[in-house]
Amino acid sequence: ILNVEQSPQSLHVQEGDSTNFTCSFPSSNFYALHWYRWETAKSPEALFVMTLNGDEKKKGRISATLNTKEGYSYLYIKGSQPEDSATYLCAFQPFGNEKLTFGTGTRLTIIP
Amino acid sequence: NAGVMQNPRHLVRRRGQEARLRCSPMKGHSHVYWYRQLPEEGLKFMVYLQKENIIDESGMPKERFSAEFPKEGPSILRIQQVVRGDSAAYFCASSPPTRVLFFGEGSRLTVL
Repeated sequence: ILNVEQSPQSLHVQEGDSTNFTCSFPSSNFYALHWYRWETAKSPEALFVMTLNGDEKKKGRISATLNTKEGYSYLYIKGSQPEDSATYLCAFQPFGNEKLTFGTGTRLTIIP
Repeated sequence: NAGVMQNPRHLVRRRGQEARLRCSPMKGHSHVYWYRQLPEEGLKFMVYLQKENIIDESGMPKERFSAEFPKEGPSILRIQQVVRGDSAAYFCASSPPTRVLFFGEGSRLTVL
């Protein structure tokens, strides 16, 4: 059984502040780590797919880092805005397998 | 280019009835995945299909659940003789060869 854990489970952040949260995953048989953003009443949307140890990806104010040797990824949001409120999911993809194992997500609420 | 389309969005069934959930992938996507979200839980993998083939069904319950992705038409997740524990949101995702998942908005099954 693959263990993908995200912390914290939920987070309240003041508008304008920066924040980050963690995804931990198995360090063996790694192929890719996915981040998704899931707004209430909508469908999850892909943010990043990361494959290389040390990789850092950025999309606007959101960025992510990857450490495959120790099995963790951080997602950072700079200068939080109300529209950043969502659940952020990470998913581990093992080598040679199409199946993604999702964490339970970090629910982020931005306080105006 | 329409996104992943799921229907029905909401389905109510009585115990013992059958539920059929449909998923039309994005144009050009030949990979379809079904995930289930139980209340207060994350997305759990059920099955991965390509056209006319089940590639990985390791997440499907052994009984009452089946999935298909015919040459023509949508992918269908079928649940026979539903029980209350089947109440959940069922999400379909499709992907191109890059393996980034594009999710539908889900079908919410309620079993009375």
